[in-house]
Amino acid sequence: QKEVEQNSGPLSVPEGAIASLNCTYSDRGSQSFFWYRQYSGKSPELIMSIYSNGDKEDGRFTAQLNKASQYVSLLIRDSQPSDSATYLCAASGGGADGLTFGKGTHLIIQP
Amino acid sequence: KAGVTQTPRYLIKTRGQQVTLSCSPISGHRSVSWYQQTPGQGLQFLFEYFSETQRNKGNFPGRFSGRQFSNSRSEMNVSTLELGDSALYLCASSAGTGLSGYTFGSGTRLTVV
Repeated sequence: QKEVEQNSGPLSVPEGAIASLNCTYSDRGSQSFFWYRQYSGKSPELIMSIYSNGDKEDGRFTAQLNKASQYVSLLIRDSQPSDSATYLCAASGGGADGLTFGKGTHLIIQP
Repeated sequence: KAGVTQTPRYLIKTRGQQVTLSCSPISGHRSVSWYQQTPGQGLQFLFEYFSETQRNKGNFPGRFSGRQFSNSRSEMNVSTLELGDSALYLCASSAGTGLSGYTFGSGTRLTVV
């Protein structure tokens, strides 16, 4: 059974610091990986996608993928209070099997 | 460009009833998938449709079904509702294989009493 594991948190980070979120996945056939941000009472919003080993940067966000270790991470630089949310890691095999989500990490940015 | 539209936003049903939820994907997106989100289980994949064909189904009982129309709009049906079906039901659309990611709608909050 495909699984994506995340630490549920809460992860508390001071404003302006780097927040580091991690997840591991069980299916070596997974090809695409996504980070979604979900505010309380809202639907998930895609913030990063990554397919190849290494780093991918987009503004204050950097996604990192290590397929050998089956590990995906998200770094948020210069964390802002508005970054406080639940961050969901998801993996896809690239076919029609949909996304397998972790249960999310609750991130709190302390002003 | 309009996002993914789900209706209704909120729904209260009684045990044993059935319910139909609707999803209109982003224009040009042919793939629609459905997810159930609960506090205990998180987000779980229900099924995915592409060009009116169900391509895959998650580990849910047969009471959960869906369909997709020629305009890519999709409906999800749950029959013989149980209290445990209370959840946020999310629809997501994608351009094709999903490698570019899925965009979620606002969801339908279903409460079964």
